[in-house]
Amino acid sequence: DQQVKQNSPSLSVQEGRISILNCDYTNSMFDYFLWYKKYPAEGPTFLISISSIKDKNEDGRFTVFLNKSAKHLSLHIVPSQPGDSAVYFCAASGLLTQGGSEKLVFGKGTKLTVNP
Amino acid sequence: DAGVTQSPTHLIKTRGQHVTLRCSPISGHKSVSWYQQVLGQGPQFIFQYYEKEERGRGNFPDRFSARQFPNYSSELNVNALLLGDSALYLCASSTGGPSEQFFGPGTRLTVL
Repeated sequence: DQQVKQNSPSLSVQEGRISILNCDYTNSMFDYFLWYKKYPAEGPTFLISISSIKDKNEDGRFTVFLNKSAKHLSLHIVPSQPGDSAVYFCAASGLLTQGGSEKLVFGKGTKLTVNP
Repeated sequence: DAGVTQSPTHLIKTRGQHVTLRCSPISGHKSVSWYQQVLGQGPQFIFQYYEKEERGRGNFPDRFSARQFPNYSSELNVNALLLGDSALYLCASSTGGPSEQFFGPGTRLTVL
């Protein structure tokens, strides 16, 4: 059962435009959400996070929005650049296992292509 | 500052063999987590260790084990390798608690 879903396997946008990547989750116990970017042959790189007590977090060109009632979050990249082309993973964290493990539950990823 | 390091980078094993993967966390980080990523999927949680104690375990068989050393580095061991164990194994470190986890480059394991 996929607790974190990224329903768009791929997204293509023009340079300078906005990229919007979406993520849905099912477990209401999740309390911390993160976005990672991954290039081939590299490990995921942390981009931005948001706590469940907030509905927006901004860092430069990256903004994450959280809608708890809809169990939905999105990552906005403005303006998009060709170097942003990568696979983007949404991840969620919470006290899901006994002992307070902060394991991350990942979606399957969305491949973003920014065309010059 | 050095990021999370993992060794080896690539590894080829045959079915039934045993493998040990190693991870060194970012200096000052006391938590290490291991993830398995197969092609087309997101990383799947295997273990988390904090201050040398297991804090969490994912849905993986007992063939998978791990430990954390006093210097906070960690090893992931997999016994009786199966073809399905072929994957990218990622190590992540953090300060512990709800915070960002920083990933290493991974070890690509191929089981023939």
